[in-house]
Parts: sequence; C-alpha cells; structure tokens
Amino acid sequence: ETGVTQSPTHLIKTRGQQVTLRCSSQSGHNTVSWYQQALGQGPQFIFQYYREEENGRGNFPPRFSGLQFPNYSSELNVNALELDDSALYLCASSRPGQGAREQFFGPGTRLTVL
Amino acid sequence: AQRVTQPEKLLSVFKGAPVELKCNYSYSGSPELFWYVQYSRQRLQLLLRHISRESIKGFTADLNKGETSFHLKKPFAQEEDSAMYYCALKGGVYTGGFKTIFGAGTRLFVKA
Repeated sequence: ETGVTQSPTHLIKTRGQQVTLRCSSQSGHNTVSWYQQALGQGPQFIFQYYREEENGRGNFPPRFSGLQFPNYSSELNVNALELDDSALYLCASSRPGQGAREQFFGPGTRLTVL
Repeated sequence: AQRVTQPEKLLSVFKGAPVELKCNYSYSGSPELFWYVQYSRQRLQLLLRHISRESIKGFTADLNKGETSFHLKKPFAQEEDSAMYYCALKGGVYTGGFKTIFGAGTRLFVKA
C-alpha cells in the first residue's frame, strides 16, 4: 500500500498568479481533505471531497477550489494568489468504512507567494 | 465557535519524567478528539483517538467532557518522543463531521 503523495514539493509564485497543487491518495481512499498550514500554526481545513464531489468547506474564499478524480488523485487550485497564501498545503485521504475518521497525510507542498 | 486550544507552544522535560500535553476544545455537540504527531522530517500521522481508548507508544488521552479537555499523557518520556503534537477535533457525522479542526501544536522536547 503506497502512501499519500503530493507534487510539487516546493513552488514559488507571484501575487495574482494561479497555482495547482496535486495529491495522490492511497488506493481505495475515496475521501480527500486539503489543509493550509501557515508557519507556526496547525493545519486549517480548506475543504473535503468525497466521491469526486465537495462535501464540506472551511472558511476559505471561492478562489480556493478543488477537483477529485476517479483514480483517487485530486487537485487544489488557488486563483489570484495573495501573499498570505504562502504556506504548507497538506492533503489527507481516508478510506471508506471508517467514516473518514483516520486521515493519512501527504508530505505537503510548500507554496511561497512573492 | 469550534476551537481547539493547546496552551503550550513548547514543552521541555527530562527523559524518564512524566509528560502532559494539554488540549482544550470548544464544540457544541459530541466531537471526536484525536492526537496527531509529527516527528522530525516525517509527515503528520495519527497517534491516537479518544473512541479507541488505546495506549500508543505509552501515550494515553482521556476525554473529559465536563472540562472539555483531551490531555495527552505519558508516565515516562523517552527521547524519541520529541516531536510536534497536534490535538484535533472532528464533529459528529451529522453535525459537520467532515471538518477537522487542529490546535496550533505543542513541540515536545525530551532532554537526555
């Protein structure tokens, strides 16, 4: 069983640009959540996808959007990047039967917005 | 408001000493509480959850609904316990259970 992977590892963008971050869930995990972790803070919930549909969202504006694909991969898209979007972005997947309770985290993508 | 508070950013103890990492929460309903751990250069991983009532790596945590706390304890700290610890809350399935709220984390440093 392979773990959750994320790409790229690091990314530098400028204010106003758009970015796409990718996540590959563990096989059989049909639930994926995305988190933003600013320096010195705990992860903050962005949204969750279940069977390719968003089924929950945290306090993030609509310029944060996502997609989940049938092959258990997913994307986080951020439009009109702002300096405060600089953070570590984590994805976490869960398998059915656990009520999405235990989450398996990826290593994260470090986004820097200049 | 749903909130998880970890009052200590850093906790430093000697090897063999007892450890208690504090976690308080605010949630209207019956949440599920978790402790996640991140060792150096490793990814965030689940340590334990209150519904399992288990002891993992010598750590235990008891949910105290009266005090809305879920403190993590270990009677004798080991150097390999040095890590970042996050307390997290997840609502019940019918009350926004999709959302996990994390505390800001406590860095535990166990000195030799």
